[in-house]
Amino acid sequence: DAGVIQSPRHEVTEMGQEVTLRCKPISGHNSLFWYRQTMMRGLELLIYFNNNVPIDDSGMPEDRFSAKMPNASFSTLKIQPSEPRDSAVYFCASRTSMNTEAFFGQGTRLTVV
Amino acid sequence: EDQVTQSPEALRLQEGESSSLNCSYTVSGLRGLFWYRQDPGKGPEFLFTLYSAGEEKEKERLKATLTKKESFLHITAPKPEDSATYLCAVNRGAQKLVFGQGTRLTINP
Repeated sequence: DAGVIQSPRHEVTEMGQEVTLRCKPISGHNSLFWYRQTMMRGLELLIYFNNNVPIDDSGMPEDRFSAKMPNASFSTLKIQPSEPRDSAVYFCASRTSMNTEAFFGQGTRLTVV
Repeated sequence: EDQVTQSPEALRLQEGESSSLNCSYTVSGLRGLFWYRQDPGKGPEFLFTLYSAGEEKEKERLKATLTKKESFLHITAPKPEDSATYLCAVNRGAQKLVFGQGTRLTINP
């Protein structure tokens, strides 16, 4: 298996623009997580899905952030409009089921100027 | 409130100098504690899962242990390639996987 695949790897955008990050989880995994990592706050859980259904989105910082999982093999995290403080590395992770380890993608480094 | 605290924030060792990293947690209904390694520019890489107090896991120079309040990652005779940030995470109640801030480990040759 190719592992969790995220795209793009790097994104530079101007403040106010819409940004869409993409994730393909490992085949057969039922849970998917979106995290944001910064030097100040470390790895923050934004939202997670179980069987394509959002279970907890309490970590989503504002209404500008939204996430979808239309099917078991694809998820998106959208920021609209983007702001400089959204600059961070965004990770997607997936796992087979409850209580098991999660596997991470390589991340998307987002820079909002 | 559930918390995961790692210490120290940074640790610098000489090659061959053994030490331990700490992960303290206050979580109701722990359903797993996980250790990850993260190299610069990469995603966290899974190392170990521990589920119950007294459990131990080993991999090469690393050994993870778990008590009811904390976990230790012991590093024996480390090499420069062990330099990385080590993260612990806990799996709590509603299956949220929550991470500590990490320990940045540097092994000097």
